[in-house]
Amino acid sequence: NAGVTQTPKFQVLKTGQSMTLQCAQDMNHEYMSWYRQDPGMGLRLIHYSVGAGITDQGEVPNGYNVSRSTTEDFPLRLLSAAPSQTSVYFCASSSQGLDEQYFGPGTRLTVT
Amino acid sequence: LAKTTQPISMDSYEGQEVNITCSHNNIATNDYITWYQQFPSQGPRFIIQGYKTKVTNEVASLFIPADRKSSTLSLPRVSLSDTAVYYCLVGDWGAGNMLTFGGGTRLMVKP
Repeated sequence: NAGVTQTPKFQVLKTGQSMTLQCAQDMNHEYMSWYRQDPGMGLRLIHYSVGAGITDQGEVPNGYNVSRSTTEDFPLRLLSAAPSQTSVYFCASSSQGLDEQYFGPGTRLTVT
Repeated sequence: LAKTTQPISMDSYEGQEVNITCSHNNIATNDYITWYQQFPSQGPRFIIQGYKTKVTNEVASLFIPADRKSSTLSLPRVSLSDTAVYYCLVGDWGAGNMLTFGGGTRLMVKP
């Protein structure tokens, strides 16, 4: 099992550009989530999904879109990048009914 | 959402036992208490989870008093490799309810 994979590892965007952060898991987990972590801070939940076709907003959803068309994939879209979105983004997955989340290695995004 | 409060940082020495306490006064009946560990440039890693009393696994123990308004993560005989940030989470993620990571406790283990 590869676990949770994220691509790319690093990305630099200009203000106003859009992009998609990819996240995939091969553990057949129902739940998937996206977090952002700013320097020296804890993780904040952006969006999460409890199953294919079902998504919900977390604490800081503005400026981000998600969809969940398959169990395996949960992409995060930045619609129009802003410098405030400079952060490290983590994707995680977990089984329904269990609280243990498995995190990916993260994507470090810089918006200039 | 249950709010958690943890010390911002703690220092310890190799071989000592470390106890990190988390306060969660508004914990709900269905909420579990979960602790994660995070090393620099890595995603968090699950350590332990509990609902009440005491839970122990191969790396840590979790003590939860009867009122469940706080919990204590105990790391026995820490080593330099235990230097990390430790997060206390309270909620029922397994039921699909949103939960949050707080600021965490930065543990520094010294030789």
